[in-house]
Amino acid sequence: EIVMTQSPATLSVSPGERATLSCRASQSIYINLAWYQQKPGQAPRLLIYGASTRAAGIPARFSGSGSGTEFTLTISSLQSEDFAVYYCQQYDSWTFGQGTKVEI
Amino acid sequence: QVHLQESGPGLVRPSETLSLTCTVSGGSISSYYWSFIRQPAGKGLEWIGRIHTTGATNYNPTLKNRVTMSIDTSKNHFSLNLTSVTAADTAVYYCARVLIPTRGAFDIWGQGTMVTVSS
Repeated sequence: EIVMTQSPATLSVSPGERATLSCRASQSIYINLAWYQQKPGQAPRLLIYGASTRAAGIPARFSGSGSGTEFTLTISSLQSEDFAVYYCQQYDSWTFGQGTKVEI
Repeated sequence: QVHLQESGPGLVRPSETLSLTCTVSGGSISSYYWSFIRQPAGKGLEWIGRIHTTGATNYNPTLKNRVTMSIDTSKNHFSLNLTSVTAADTAVYYCARVLIPTRGAFDIWGQGTMVTVSS
């Protein structure tokens, strides 16, 4: 099983600041990686797929990078609606990371 | 706009079978892979399995012996059966569509349905 490890578990940032979230795969997954945002009581929302391609309707302040085993999600200037939990997911064999909570 | 809706019992007895259906509206079920994903309260996401409109399936190895998915293109829905459930299967269950051309990025999700396993 490919294990996805996200860091940090919690990220405390202020509105307008930059947030950088990390995701590491236990073996190479090429660019078969997606990022999701989940708010309380809601289903996850796809942000990024193919490691760096924004999904439809996702603002440009969200960007993804990386390949192989190391990946990053960057939110360039946090808005109030961006405070949520973020998950990475590899779709080589479909496992999720444990999530990073972005809090004020 | 494609919409997914999960349906099924909210309470299942231990050792029995959990059965859920996901109905696809606003678009065709054809030519896509479809998945179920679950999330225990306060925890992370776990992929359960996926099914194509051809009937081809892939299941999570940790659940493989207990999971069966099926699809009915005439009714625009697909289903999950999870046998021999225990309290550990208590979770919110989501259905989701796999984004083409990826193997498993989920671009459309249902709202989720809470399933509790308890006697």
